[in-house]
Amino acid sequence: NSKVIQTPRYLVKGQGQKAKMRCIPEKGHPVVFWYQQNKNNEFKFLINFQNQEVLQQIDMTEKRFSAECPSNSPCSLEIQSSEAGDSALYLCASSYRGKDEQYFGPGTRLTVL
Amino acid sequence: AQSVDQPDAHVTLSEGASLELRCSYSYSAAPYLFWYVQYPGQSLQFLLKYITGDTVVKGTKGFEAEFRKSNSSFNLKKSPAHWSDSAKYFCALPYYNQGKLIFGQGTKLSIKP
Repeated sequence: NSKVIQTPRYLVKGQGQKAKMRCIPEKGHPVVFWYQQNKNNEFKFLINFQNQEVLQQIDMTEKRFSAECPSNSPCSLEIQSSEAGDSALYLCASSYRGKDEQYFGPGTRLTVL
Repeated sequence: AQSVDQPDAHVTLSEGASLELRCSYSYSAAPYLFWYVQYPGQSLQFLLKYITGDTVVKGTKGFEAEFRKSNSSFNLKKSPAHWSDSAKYFCALPYYNQGKLIFGQGTKLSIKP
């Protein structure tokens, strides 16, 4: 069973509001991933970290999404100005190495009204 | 480009039958391949993985998968199926064997009691 912790489980925001969610990876897993799963069950990779450094990320041209994994603190994903299309399940996953299986947290379900 | 295809959106079986969920992949090198399961309202749970070696790999919950290089497939199997196996199943391939997962479209499995 996965030991990835995500908070909050549910998040409701109005359009234009900030939305912030957190993730504590499994102990001993230095690689952390963020995915967005939409209502059609399609997954979109957002960003991943190894320790505190960004390894890969989507084209952040919108600049509304930001993420960090500070040392000795939970990782976080923040949407600066929420839009209705951001409503989705945000999944955090961790692994020992990038190529290993990833273990997923329960997700944060964001609803933007 | 890498891709994963799950051609069956829905599979319905009776309890006790044998199940086989299809997955094909596109990748020029030797792949890593994973299967995950998502129960309604829950996150993804890791089932099993193929890295190298034996073409039949066993996982949790009584599942196994067969890797076939000849037709680029990694089908998930279980016999007999139980009603509790009803869920959505995703096949995934790590991006160039490291990093973000490339998911198939998913197969919704329904087991009739």
